[in-house]
Order: sequence, then C-alpha cells, then structure tokens
Amino acid sequence: RKEVEQDPGPFNVPEGATVAFNCTYSNSASQSFFWYRQDCRKEPKLLMSVYSSGNEDGRFTAQLNRASQYISLLIRDSKLSDSATYLCVVNGPYNNNDMRFGAGTRLTVKP
Amino acid sequence: DVKVTQSSRYLVKRTGEKVFLECVQDMDHENMFWYRQDPGLGLRLIYFSYDVKMKEKGDIPEGYSVSREKKERFSLILESASTNQTSMYLCASSPGQGNGEKLFFGSGTQLSVL
Repeated sequence: RKEVEQDPGPFNVPEGATVAFNCTYSNSASQSFFWYRQDCRKEPKLLMSVYSSGNEDGRFTAQLNRASQYISLLIRDSKLSDSATYLCVVNGPYNNNDMRFGAGTRLTVKP
Repeated sequence: DVKVTQSSRYLVKRTGEKVFLECVQDMDHENMFWYRQDPGLGLRLIYFSYDVKMKEKGDIPEGYSVSREKKERFSLILESASTNQTSMYLCASSPGQGNGEKLFFGSGTQLSVL
C-alpha cells in the first residue's frame, strides 16, 4: 500500500464551484500534514498546513481525521488561478521532517 | 527568501554514464532531500540527509547514492545511468529546527538518459 494516496482526478470545475479533495495515509504515527500546490512545470509550493482541529485560509479549508487516516482540502468559490495539481504530504517513518507525497490531484477551473 | 539551486535545468546523458546532480541551499538548513517526480506517481523520496555526512534511504534508493560533505550542498549520484532513471529530479531543504517544517524546493532537473 502506498504511504499517501490521492484521487488523481482530473477535476474539471466551473469558476465559482466548490471542490473537495481527499487523501489517505498509511502511517498511523504520522504527525505532520500539508497540502502543496504545483503549477505546470514548476516546483511544489506549500499551500497550507493541516492541523488536528481543522484550519481555514481564505477560500481554502483543510481537515484531518486521524481515526480514519485521511486529510481533505476544500476550495470554495474556485478561481481560474486555482488550476494546478494539489499534493497531499504526510511525514514518513523516520521523523517529522521526512516528507512523503501523494501522486497529486489535478484541478482545472474553467470560465 | 530561501534559495535552493539545482545546477542544471535540463541534462541529457547516455546509458552507463556516471551522473552528478548538485543542489545548494543558502539558508543554513539542516535537512535536505532528493525526490524524483514521474507522471502518475508523484514525488518519490530517494534519499534525505539531516546533517553533514548523514543520510537516510527513502522509498527508492536503488541505483542512487548521495553525498553531503558540506551543510549547504547535497549531491545525488547515479553510478551508472539507466533509461528508467529518466525523470524530473527535485531537491528540497527544510530548517531542521522543529517538527513538520515547510519544504523549499529547487526548480528541478529534467534528466534524460538515452
């Protein structure tokens, strides 16, 4: 089983739509969770950390369910500029800074 | 802002060649990482280092080695390049001062092995 699994998509949504991505992880001892964004032909960049109580940053909401070992990202009021690949990241078995990535979920927001 | 620099953006090598991919960070980060990214597979960790001369294997270390002689530099070595090592290679660093730190990535090296 892969350490971090994501629905690869693609998700094609109209502007203004709400879209949600899920990610599951296998290491029950993981403590650090993130969503990164990667634009075409660019390096990944941190979008937001995911905290146990859930957290929000503008139109983006991240949630963690430790019991079921999944993380979610909700994007409200999608913009064209949200088109990218969203990567779920969880720390691996060695320490809290050994980061493992999901394969990514591709989002295209259309006018 | 943190800068992570990878020596080449594009590299073409022949099967059997020894290949060095260099990565330098300028923010005194303790942790450095090498990933490869392939379509449909995402980023897979090859090796990481949490201190000078220290290294840990990631998910796919076979066919690769690394060197960290100085804190700012982390090299990935392909001893004998093969076609299945054609990929995008991404170097990253993180401070190493706490838990769950942000990763800072270089721009990547697209390696083609012919």
